Amino acid sequence: GESVGLHLPTLSVQEGDNSIINCAYSNSASDYFIWYKQESGKGPQFIIDIRSNMDKRQGQRVTVLLNKTVKHLSLQIAATQPGDSAVYFCAENNSGYALNFGKGTSLLVTP
Amino acid sequence: GAGVSQSPSNKVTEKGKDVELRCDPISGHTALYWYRQSLGQGLEFLIYFQGNSAPDKSGLPSDRFSAERTGGSVSTLTIQRTQQEDSAVYLCASSRGGAGSYEQYFGPGTRLTVT
Repeated sequence: GESVGLHLPTLSVQEGDNSIINCAYSNSASDYFIWYKQESGKGPQFIIDIRSNMDKRQGQRVTVLLNKTVKHLSLQIAATQPGDSAVYFCAENNSGYALNFGKGTSLLVTP
Repeated sequence: GAGVSQSPSNKVTEKGKDVELRCDPISGHTALYWYRQSLGQGLEFLIYFQGNSAPDKSGLPSDRFSAERTGGSVSTLTIQRTQQEDSAVYLCASSRGGAGSYEQYFGPGTRLTVT
């Protein structure tokens, strides 16, 4: 069946380094992708999104890359800070409403 | 402005009891979603409301689960005869709705524990 998954369940990076979180999707019909950040005890918070007609999109300290050929999505966080420690979810949309979420990657930023 | 709010934040109930979870979406958002998040897992879609259209209930795991949205605003998720496997965080989200309006804003969730 169709699925969204993450390559690594946990990622540990040093403060100031760049982080890269990867995500694979299997539904070639997906036309919208979104990254959420979830801190403990809180709901997911929007980070950045990208539509399938784009390869790259940049926000503040974050960049999302979309490779449709291999159905791969990545989130890059520049100069990672302790406040970036959280679980990061990628999600895809292919039916106009509900998002299909991956299981999440836990990012731990160490001093 | 105010975000999505949910109540209660925590709910502990005995197996077999019914529970009601409430969601107040962002004002003006026509689309409302319920998701379930089990410990260490991603989000599982439950149900979707868009305006006055019939809801999409395709994600509800059993007929013990139901949801209503009154007046196009507040929504209530009801779980009847709760089971231990219903223990999870129930998240509500809303969006502006309409074509291409995909960004969903989430509430803090209700943590349900069935003992």
